[in-house]
Amino acid sequence: AQSVTQPDIHITVSEGASLELRCNYSYGATPYLFWYVQSPGQGLQLLLKYFSGDTLVQGIKGFEAEFKRSQSSFNLRKPSVHWSDAAEYFCAVGAGNNDMRFGAGTRLTVKP
Amino acid sequence: NAGVMQNPRHLVRRRGQEARLRCSPMKGHSHVYWYRQLPEEGLKFMVYLQKENIIDESGMPKERFSAEFPKEGPSILRIQQVVRGDSAAYFCASSPRPGDYGYTFGSGTRLTVV
Repeated sequence: AQSVTQPDIHITVSEGASLELRCNYSYGATPYLFWYVQSPGQGLQLLLKYFSGDTLVQGIKGFEAEFKRSQSSFNLRKPSVHWSDAAEYFCAVGAGNNDMRFGAGTRLTVKP
Repeated sequence: NAGVMQNPRHLVRRRGQEARLRCSPMKGHSHVYWYRQLPEEGLKFMVYLQKENIIDESGMPKERFSAEFPKEGPSILRIQQVVRGDSAAYFCASSPRPGDYGYTFGSGTRLTVV
């Protein structure tokens, strides 16, 4: 069955530091992969998605993610974090039917 | 160009009452998806609907929950006889075609059962 694991429940980084959020997936075929961000009390905003092609995907707000089939990973990165990036981040996989499977999320705290 | 609109934003119900959550998809989108987010968890798929049809309800609890997407008007997620465990955030998403992942989500309805 398709599933997504986000190993880090909570990450704290200093403003200006680099960021990497981990995501591992389990899926039998080539996956569709996504990263969403959720600010407190808000809905989910799509940061980026991978369907095929170039394994390094650029998204909004300066985020990027790299698909590594050998590691079943789709980690999210940002070279320099801003205080406004503090939020909950969800990795998701398109499950091949009609739904997406989400990870449990990683909460990002940004220290001044 | 309004996004996915959900209302109410917050809903409080006593145990045993009914909860009705509404979702208006983006203009031109005829596919609607409902997800539930329990505290400290990710989103869990509930149901996928097209206009007047339920396509996939594999994530819906077997009892008390129902969903519809009529020809006119918003999609409705209905929870009868609510219990404390129904307290969650319910999100709706829409897409213009099936399998068009990376859909647009609404801001959600936060249901609290007291």
